Amino acid sequence: EDQVTQSPEALRLQEGESSSLNCSYTVSGLRGLFWYRQDPGKGPEFLFTLYSAGEEKEKERLKATLTKKESFLHITAPKPEDSATYLCAVGTSGTYKYIFGTGTRLKVLA
Amino acid sequence: DTGVSQDPRHKITKRGQNVTFRCDPISEHNRLYWYRQTLGQGPEFLTYFQNEAQLEKSRLLSDRFSAERPKGSFSTLEIQRTEQGDSAMYLCASSYSGGGNYGYTFGSGTRLTVV
Repeated sequence: EDQVTQSPEALRLQEGESSSLNCSYTVSGLRGLFWYRQDPGKGPEFLFTLYSAGEEKEKERLKATLTKKESFLHITAPKPEDSATYLCAVGTSGTYKYIFGTGTRLKVLA
Repeated sequence: DTGVSQDPRHKITKRGQNVTFRCDPISEHNRLYWYRQTLGQGPEFLTYFQNEAQLEKSRLLSDRFSAERPKGSFSTLEIQRTEQGDSAMYLCASSYSGGGNYGYTFGSGTRLTVV
């Protein structure tokens, strides 16, 4: 069965303290791996798509990487405004639906 | 274009009542998706449309749930005989099948509370 697992469930960082979020996946045929940011009471906001192992994408303080079994979202020198839930999702062959993980709740303290 | 719009933002209903939600996708997007999200969980797939055709439905979508997308534009999601377990955020998203980054654009959701 296709599955997505995110860790840790929650993470507290001091401002400027870099860290990484993990998304491990088991799918029959990867169509793409997606990272989203979600603020409380709002819909997820698209960040990145990764298609194949070895691919990397960057946006401001965020960098996403992909291997055959997992993806990492690296946050460099985070700021309080980076506080949010970060969701990972996979698209699989033969369908356009996504399978989401349960997310990592990130809190960055000033 | 203001993105994906959902209406209403919040809905409180009594158990057993019917509710209907509306989603207006980004105009050039031909794919439209409905997801449900409960507190502390990631979104769960319900159904999706390509143009006006409903191409896939989750087994989560019981016979009390129905979705339509007439004319391939806006979509409605109706829940009949609501139950307390239906309380959740209902998210709509859209995407374009013609390529690009393949990511969805989500709306802000409709939060349903069944009392």
